[in-house]
Amino acid sequence: KAGVTQTPRYLIKTRGQQVTLSCSPISGHRSVSWYQQTPGQGLQFLFEYFSETQRNKGNFPGRFSGRQFSNSRSEMNVSTLELGDSALYLCASSFRTGGEQFFGPGTRLTVL
Amino acid sequence: GEDVEQSLFLSVREGDSSVINCTYTDSSSTYLYWYKQEPGAGLQLLTYIFSNMDMKQDQRLTVLLNKKDKHLSLRIADTQTGDSAIYFCAESRDNAGNMLTFGGGTRLMVKP
Repeated sequence: KAGVTQTPRYLIKTRGQQVTLSCSPISGHRSVSWYQQTPGQGLQFLFEYFSETQRNKGNFPGRFSGRQFSNSRSEMNVSTLELGDSALYLCASSFRTGGEQFFGPGTRLTVL
Repeated sequence: GEDVEQSLFLSVREGDSSVINCTYTDSSSTYLYWYKQEPGAGLQLLTYIFSNMDMKQDQRLTVLLNKKDKHLSLRIADTQTGDSAIYFCAESRDNAGNMLTFGGGTRLMVKP
């Protein structure tokens, strides 16, 4: 079974631009969660989608948004990028609530 | 204070046992997880335990949970240089879907 895949793996953007990141969960998994990892703040939860519905949202500004498609693939979007958005963005997939959650390799976003 | 806390650093000799500790504050924790992160990589799920369990063993890994003290530990037997990485504990909570709250990570260094 293929693992969680994330594209692109690396991105460089400039302040003010917007970016879209993609996550394909493990086949059959319906839950996709997104996390931001930075040296200063550690791993912080962004949001979770389950069967195309946002189920939980972390404490991030409205510039951060996401969606999930009927095939469970998910995208997250960050608009009006700021320098502080530079981070490793990780997604995790799970078949159900609770139990195993598997992470992808992440997308490293650099904002200049 | 932080919801999930870990010590920053642990150094052991190859062949010794490593014990990484984690404390959490939320009594509604349902699942507790241990993840491993190597440089430049995503998070690898090592093991997880349901909150009504005391112990779980999986090959070289032993997880102990003291629910009364809200203390979780990960013991790695016969630690190898390939175990050098950052280890994160995380909790999921009742009524919070698959949202994980992570500790700050413990950097394990294994000396030959």
